[in-house]
Amino acid sequence: AQRVTQPEKLLSVFKGAPVELKCNYSYSGSPELFWYVQYSRQRLQLLLRHISRESIKGFTADLNKGETSFHLKKPFAQEEDSAMYYCALTPKEYGNKLVFGAGTILRVKS
Amino acid sequence: DTAVSQTPKYLVTQMGNDKSIKCEQNLGHDTMYWYKQDSKKFLKIMFSYNNKELIINETVPNRFSPKSPDKAHLNLHINSLELGDSAVYFCASSQHGQDEAFFGQGTRLTVV
Repeated sequence: AQRVTQPEKLLSVFKGAPVELKCNYSYSGSPELFWYVQYSRQRLQLLLRHISRESIKGFTADLNKGETSFHLKKPFAQEEDSAMYYCALTPKEYGNKLVFGAGTILRVKS
Repeated sequence: DTAVSQTPKYLVTQMGNDKSIKCEQNLGHDTMYWYKQDSKKFLKIMFSYNNKELIINETVPNRFSPKSPDKAHLNLHINSLELGDSAVYFCASSQHGQDEAFFGQGTRLTVV
């Protein structure tokens, strides 16, 4: 079975502080992992994917197969980063469906 | 020129009623999905269609019936609505072989 765990429901940080949103996964195959973000009153959208190894809006995420983790990091949080963040994986043999974690609300305080 | 659009945005209805939510995408994608977001914001897939064929049906009650008249549309019909059906329903689409899913703005269904 595939499972994605985001242990923190809410993460509150001050502007300029580092951010780490935790994500652990359980999957027997070779996973494809993503972070999706939902800003207030906007639709859910892709933030980044592990295969591209890119930095989007200052966020990065490294896949650690040993620890089965895909934590999302940003060195200096901005107020506009406040949103709901979902970690997700795609088990390819089951089509392109996304298995989501429970989500973490990030609040960046000024 | 919205990529994935759902109607209605809000739906309030009584228990026992039958309702439909429509979804259309203009991205030329071959795969469409319905996801349910519950009151705790947990997102779970319900259905997936590829080229109008059902490929994923995730233990959803028979009262939920998706219909895909063509590749660009995936509608969700719900019979005999129950209080527990209250949620936000998201439509999404993607192209087979590509990772990114594009989501609609969601339909907030409230059953009273």
